[in-house]
Amino acid sequence: DTGVSQDPRHKITKRGQNVTFRCDPISEHNRLYWYRQTLGQGPEFLTYFQNEAQLEKSRLLSDRFSAERPKGSFSTLEIQRTEQGDSAMYLCASSLRGNSYEQYFGPGTRLTVT
Amino acid sequence: GQQLNQSPQSMFIQEGEDVSMNCTSSSIFNTWLWYKQDPGEGPVLLIALYKAGELTSNGRLTAQFGITRKDSFLNISASIPSDVGIYFCAGRLVQGGSEKLVFGKGTKLTVNP
Repeated sequence: DTGVSQDPRHKITKRGQNVTFRCDPISEHNRLYWYRQTLGQGPEFLTYFQNEAQLEKSRLLSDRFSAERPKGSFSTLEIQRTEQGDSAMYLCASSLRGNSYEQYFGPGTRLTVT
Repeated sequence: GQQLNQSPQSMFIQEGEDVSMNCTSSSIFNTWLWYKQDPGEGPVLLIALYKAGELTSNGRLTAQFGITRKDSFLNISASIPSDVGIYFCAGRLVQGGSEKLVFGKGTKLTVNP
């Protein structure tokens, strides 16, 4: 399967704990995006990378959130000191520069903060 | 922030019927995309539109990019049970050089066999 993969698919954590999610984009795609989706809503943009450079961040990305893409391949999204309001589906997408409007999504990581 | 108004919010149809849903915005978009999402999964890209007035088909799906660049519609012909899911429109804004997509809230489609 050469699609976008995300790990883990589900994460349950207690409030105050740190969590980290991983995204592996489609192999030749150099752009990678993170979105957050809550129940009944469409995905909301968090941040995006072109290769290893983080080029855009949403105001939704508070200082408890950090994303990296150290070698321009996979990416990690870390949430520190989780809050119940962080419970959501975290989606990763990738695209190819030059045809960057077509973003292909992974299956998502469902985070539940108790 | 930017908003996409997607309607209807939900639809209940009989198998074989045609379906139409649309998205409007007060902002101008230079790209419109339509996605389908199944429960617990990520959105799957159905159709991408790049030019005002463009009409594009993908099997039983047809989508159009509005002339004003502020709207788009998606039609599904001869619906089948596997069309069940949530359909999202998404747009890429013109201004600011942003690469992000702005999504609507989705249209939930139920198809009765």
